[in-house]
Amino acid sequence: DAKTTQPPSMDCAEGRAANLPCNHSTISGNEYVYWYRQIHSQGPQYIIHGLKNNETNEMASLIITEDRKSSTLILPHATLRDTAVYYCIVRVATWAGGTSYGKLTFGQGTILTVHP
Amino acid sequence: DGGITQSPKYLFRKEGQNVTLSCEQNLNHDAMYWYRQDPGQGLRLIYYSQIVNDFQKGDIAEGYSVSREKKESFPLTVTSAQKNPTAFYLCASSASRGWVTQYFGPGTRLLVL
Repeated sequence: DAKTTQPPSMDCAEGRAANLPCNHSTISGNEYVYWYRQIHSQGPQYIIHGLKNNETNEMASLIITEDRKSSTLILPHATLRDTAVYYCIVRVATWAGGTSYGKLTFGQGTILTVHP
Repeated sequence: DGGITQSPKYLFRKEGQNVTLSCEQNLNHDAMYWYRQDPGQGLRLIYYSQIVNDFQKGDIAEGYSVSREKKESFPLTVTSAQKNPTAFYLCASSASRGWVTQYFGPGTRLLVL
């Protein structure tokens, strides 16, 4: 699995866009970029994923560079409830067998603090 | 509303006691998972099930057992053999082919008395 690198923490003012970067320079051609977040004392929440095109859903946008070595998760209008740890994961989307099935491995992630 | 429910939210275990954590999903997902999270740590996979009546051990299965008799249910039993059970337990589910997109329940916090 490709390794990801994220900044340990970021701050954002409420109402402004939060841009969370992720480096994944060893990503292979069939690996997707996934983003999850975990609010304190809650289960992780899936946000968005993409392969090479930019993606947008009701929660966020995902911008993937043309060489796919990095990506940015954008929360367009951050609120206090977006304060959480954000995780970037790079994995093959469908199970190809082997012992890695099912195991979501979160790194340290980025602690995003949204302040008033 | 579709989703995953876990109960109870808090559970207390006495020494030598087995306890069972409930996980139910109405997302019609084939695959279900149990993770353990310790304070300040990442998720560790305990067991997973790709289909009814089948389940596989994850990285830390010792001291735990599961069953998958129904598609929507995947209960986890923490046995007395698990010597350090205090943790936050998370259940998740996914459509089999899109397994990385996992939907998590709210979690059960297990404490030992």
